[in-house]
Parts: sequence; C-alpha cells; structure tokens
Amino acid sequence: GQQLNQSPQSMFIQEGEDVSMNCTSSSIFNTWLWYKQDPGEGPVLLIALYKAGELTSNGRLTAQFGITRKDSFLNISASIPSDVGIYFCAGPPDSGGGADGLTFGKGTHLIIQP
Amino acid sequence: GAGVSQSPRYKVAKRGQDVALRCDPISGHVSLFWYQQALGQGPEFLTYFQNEAQLDKSGLPSDRFFAERPEGSVSTLKIQRTQQEDSAVYLCASSPGVNYGYTFGSGTRLTVV
Repeated sequence: GQQLNQSPQSMFIQEGEDVSMNCTSSSIFNTWLWYKQDPGEGPVLLIALYKAGELTSNGRLTAQFGITRKDSFLNISASIPSDVGIYFCAGPPDSGGGADGLTFGKGTHLIIQP
Repeated sequence: GAGVSQSPRYKVAKRGQDVALRCDPISGHVSLFWYQQALGQGPEFLTYFQNEAQLDKSGLPSDRFFAERPEGSVSTLKIQRTQQEDSAVYLCASSPGVNYGYTFGSGTRLTVV
C-alpha cells in the first residue's frame, strides 16, 4: 500500500527558531493534510492542500503541495513552546473521495528548548 | 457535546478478554472513522461508516475486530480474545460529510497484559 515517509523523525530546536519538516511518498497523492497531535489527544488538522504547487498558510504555519505530487513541506516560523508535539502528514488513497481512510506518516516529533 | 467523545480513556485487558470501545461522534456527523495508533506510529485506518452503513472495513486487522453503528450515531469497536499486539490507542473521528475535515476524539488507550 501507499507509504508516507516523514523527516526528520525528531527535532530539538530553540524557542524562536523556524522549523521545516517534510513528507515524501513513492506514489502520487491528490490531497495532502498536516496534523498536530499533543500527548493524550487525537490529531488536529492544521492545513489541507488540494492542488499541486499550492502554498497555504495558517498563522505561523505554511505548507506546500509539491509539484510532483509526491511530497509536501510544513514550515513553522518563530516557534513557541506550544508548538511542541508530533506533526503528521496524511493523505487519502489514490481513489480517495473523502469516504476512505487516510494514510499517515510516522510523524515528526518537535521538541522546543526554552 | 462539542467534540468527539471516546470511552473509556484507558482500558487494561487480560489476554483473551473481550473489550468494547465506545465513540460518541459530534451530533449530526454522517461519517465516522476508527483508527489504531501503535506507540511511536501514525494512526492506521480500521473502518469507516456513513450513517449506519459500514462502507469500508478493509483496515480491520483480523476477524477478532468488529465495529458497529446501529443507529447512525454512537459507534462501538469490539475486539474479541484480545492479544498483546492489540495494545494501542484507538482513535475515533467524525465529519459532517464525505470529506477529510474530520475531528478526532482523544482516543482509548488499550493495554493487553
């Protein structure tokens, strides 16, 4: 089946630094989603991307849908302590029309040192 | 309630025991999903309901796993004869339609000993 590879697996950064993480796939995705999961909670949708080349922002977060449709990037500017958590990329299967389950990456664990 | 509610939050089961996990979706949400999240991994799709109809159960790992949503609202995920490999967080999500903008619950952490 489809697999999503996220990197890095974990990041240790200083508060105020910018963060960049990415997600790649061996197959094409038509939708890319970025989620954040806090300990003991379910994932929360941050940004959804629906078109190749699309660049979308949500506050300090910016995500891009790669031109090849096989990758996506998430950037966080001026990180703050509440940005700590695990960031997942996700996408629907090839035939996905909303009624199918998502494939998730293994996550990037963001740790911020004050 | 305002969000997706799952119960219990934690469940410890002895190997071989049957368990039932409950999900209360957001009122009026048509779509309901169950995911399994092992430690250090991303969520993995188990099954999908549209109202009371189970339209996709391709992710259920074995016939010991069974899910139902008889009245199109509350859903129950049942695991029979639990095994240690079933230990995971089970997440439920719901959405108002057939789209990806769904809301996850906080999950049930199942530990099989």
